[in-house]
Amino acid sequence: AQTVTQSQPEMSVQEAETVTLSCTYDTSESNYYLFWYKQPPSRQMILVIRQEAYKQQNATENRFSVNFQKAAKSFSLKISDSQLGDTAMYFCALPPEQGGSEKLVFGKGTKLTVNP
Amino acid sequence: DAGVTQSPTHLIKTRGQQVTLRCSPKSGHDTVSWYQQALGQGPQFIFQYYEEEERQRGNFPDRFSGHQFPNYSSELNVNALLLGDSALYLCASSFRVGTEAFFGQGTRLTVV
Repeated sequence: AQTVTQSQPEMSVQEAETVTLSCTYDTSESNYYLFWYKQPPSRQMILVIRQEAYKQQNATENRFSVNFQKAAKSFSLKISDSQLGDTAMYFCALPPEQGGSEKLVFGKGTKLTVNP
Repeated sequence: DAGVTQSPTHLIKTRGQQVTLRCSPKSGHDTVSWYQQALGQGPQFIFQYYEEEERQRGNFPDRFSGHQFPNYSSELNVNALLLGDSALYLCASSFRVGTEAFFGQGTRLTVV
């Protein structure tokens, strides 16, 4: 069974600073996707960034980037120049074995607070 | 494009009752998945519908059932509600398997 572990229940950062959220996972698949989702108080789950496991290059989306270490099964999210609107729950997720990307296994989440 | 819409946004039910939650997928999407998110937890997969059939199911009892209509919208039904069914229920839609899922804002169900 696939597992996703987020070891930081809560984190805080000052506006404009950089913060890194950790995620480790376990899977027997050799090719898979990894996702970071953001869930603000509005409750809607929003895809922040996606990484394909076969790609060596770390994914980047504007201020969001990942540090993907396949051998260590680690997938951390770095948020640069943090903004107040980044305050949210962040979930790491991956598809289960032989599943499509819409059937996801989520971690328990990290609550990020950006302070002014 | 309205994205994924869910109704109602909030719901309070009594233990033992039945509830129906509704989801309209994003335009162009034909696959709908339902998730249960308990307070302080990540979402847990309930089931997925494609071509009006349940294609995959998570570890949820038969009290949880669903339906997908020809217009791809979907319903989640929960019978014999338990206090432990109190949660945020999220609907996600996508186009076929293996593509990005878009989530709705969820329905907050409280069972008293």
